[in-house]
Amino acid sequence: RKEVEQDPGPFNVPEGATVAFNCTYSNSASQSFFWYRQDCRKEPKLLMSVYSSGNEDGRFTAQLNRASQYISLLIRDSKLSDSATYLCVVNEDYQLIWGAGTKLIIKP
Amino acid sequence: DAGVIQSPRHEVTEMGQEVTLRCKPISGHDYLFWYRQTMMRGLELLIYFNNNVPIDDSGMPEDRFSAKMPNASFSTLKIQPSEPRDSAVYFCASTIGTSGTEAFFGQGTRLTVV
Repeated sequence: RKEVEQDPGPFNVPEGATVAFNCTYSNSASQSFFWYRQDCRKEPKLLMSVYSSGNEDGRFTAQLNRASQYISLLIRDSKLSDSATYLCVVNEDYQLIWGAGTKLIIKP
Repeated sequence: DAGVIQSPRHEVTEMGQEVTLRCKPISGHDYLFWYRQTMMRGLELLIYFNNNVPIDDSGMPEDRFSAKMPNASFSTLKIQPSEPRDSAVYFCASTIGTSGTEAFFGQGTRLTVV
């Protein structure tokens, strides 16, 4: 089975710090990539798509390295509200393959 | 748009009973996905439909699970008979196409089989 693997969590990070997650995927033919956020007892929601050139949305930066087959998510100046589980998602053959998620806990 | 609507939000049932979960996708979306999420296994794809036709059901755990999509605005996931190990949160999601597009999730059905 195709796999998407993420850093094991939980990450316990002080407020204001920078935190980075990595995700690796096994299928070099994967077509598109995403980061989703899931709050406790809620549904996953799209955080950002990941483009080949890298992309930034406020405090969040996503990067894709096709040669090494990994995706990263960087969160700068972390806030308490960033506490959640972050899911890496890869589109392979028109199926969304989900990582198990990395739990992030921001401490005051 | 109200988004993806799932019902019920919570279901507690006894082992051996039939359970039916329901989903209404976002209007105009042509793909519908059923997922199961547990602490141990994370988010697992059970089955997905394109234009109401099941495309891949390889994630359905066993014959006790079945899913239908009789029309573009309604889908069901049925478990018969239910077992305690089926306890999980079941999500339905819909998209327009699947390549490079956002998947919109319902709020999920939290199933407990006792």
